[in-house]
Amino acid sequence: GEDVEQSLFLSVREGDSSVINCTYTDSSSTYLYWYKQEPGAGLQLLTYIFSNMDMKQDQRLTVLLNKKDKHLSLRIADTQTGDSAIYFCAESSIKAAGNKLTFGGGTRVLVKP
Amino acid sequence: DAGVTQSPTHLIKTRGQQVTLRCSPKSGHDTVSWYQQALGQGPQFIFQYYEEEERQRGNFPDRFSGHQFPNYSSELNVNALLLGDSALYLCASSPETTGSNEQFFGPGTRLTVL
Repeated sequence: GEDVEQSLFLSVREGDSSVINCTYTDSSSTYLYWYKQEPGAGLQLLTYIFSNMDMKQDQRLTVLLNKKDKHLSLRIADTQTGDSAIYFCAESSIKAAGNKLTFGGGTRVLVKP
Repeated sequence: DAGVTQSPTHLIKTRGQQVTLRCSPKSGHDTVSWYQQALGQGPQFIFQYYEEEERQRGNFPDRFSGHQFPNYSSELNVNALLLGDSALYLCASSPETTGSNEQFFGPGTRLTVL
């Protein structure tokens, strides 16, 4: 079955880089995503990576995918106080019967000034 | 362009009651998915609707049902509410034709069952 795991908490100083890690079990995962959730809000899609890619960069965000180890990471460069939030990784595999997302439990990121 | 909208924002019900939550997808999107997010956890997939049919379902009991209308909007119904149904209910929409399966989420409906 599908399972996605994340560490619970990350504390980082403003201006430093943050690295959030995620592992997944479904070898048929096609796309992997990073979502951000601020208090009391819905989920904001930050970026995604296709399973045949190793890396994707989007402004301050860098996604690294190690498909062999089923390990995904999100690096946020020059972390700002506005980056404090819960970050979820998610995977989906495109099936004829639908394309649900399976989420990890979330990593709470606290940015200290 | 309005994003995904959900109503109501908050809802308080008592055990045994029934509730209906509503979702309007982003313009141009025809697929709607529903997720339940309990406090401190990641979202759990409930079901997905496309062409007015439920085409994929997660591990939720039959008390959870839904509907999709011809304009692609959707409803989630929960019967015989339990205390454990208290959660944030998130709706996500996506266009069927996209290859990346990007799903865009609404702000959610916070359901409290007393």
